[in-house]
Amino acid sequence: GDSVTQMEGPVTLSEEAFLTINCTYTATGYPSLFWYVQYPGEGLQLLLKATKADDKGSNKGFEATYRKETTSFHLEKGSVQVSDSAVYFCALSDPRNDMRFGAGTRLTVKP
Amino acid sequence: EAEVAQSPRYKITEKSQAVAFWCDPISGHATLYWYRQILGQGPELLVQFQDESVVDDSQLPKDRFSAERLKGVDSTLKIQPAELGDSAMYLCASSLVAGPKNTQYFGPGTRLTVL
Repeated sequence: GDSVTQMEGPVTLSEEAFLTINCTYTATGYPSLFWYVQYPGEGLQLLLKATKADDKGSNKGFEATYRKETTSFHLEKGSVQVSDSAVYFCALSDPRNDMRFGAGTRLTVKP
Repeated sequence: EAEVAQSPRYKITEKSQAVAFWCDPISGHATLYWYRQILGQGPELLVQFQDESVVDDSQLPKDRFSAERLKGVDSTLKIQPAELGDSAMYLCASSLVAGPKNTQYFGPGTRLTVL
């Protein structure tokens, strides 16, 4: 079945460092791809999404490009802040809108 | 901005007791989902509703879990009896319609602890 594999954490960075969290997917069709963020004790918030190949999703300085040739949707940010500390989930949505989530990557940004 | 509401936010219960969680989706969202998120893992779908009908409950442990959305708006997820392994975050999400391009919006979740 469809699945998502994302980079294991935890990831610890200093403020203003460059962030990459890798995500690859396996799907039989043409899924939509998402990044969600979860702050401690809270539900998931949509960070960005892309619905077709070569689309770039972006929000709050984060961006990810839907790469069909490498089946990837890596999350990047040029300069992280302490407030970006959270758990990040890569996910895909299959034709029935069933979401498949990765295991999550915990990011800690130190001042 | 409209949000998905869930209650309670936290629930502590003893094993073999019954628990119930409530979810109110974003107004006008026809599709509603219940997920279970075990600590350190991503959410896993338990049940999906389209209006008042169950579309997918293949991962719902039906011997102890039940879900309903009687009027196609809010929904209740019940566990009876609760077991130690049910301790997790229970998340509700909604989307305007079903389909891969439709974003699911999540509520804050109910954290269940079974003692």
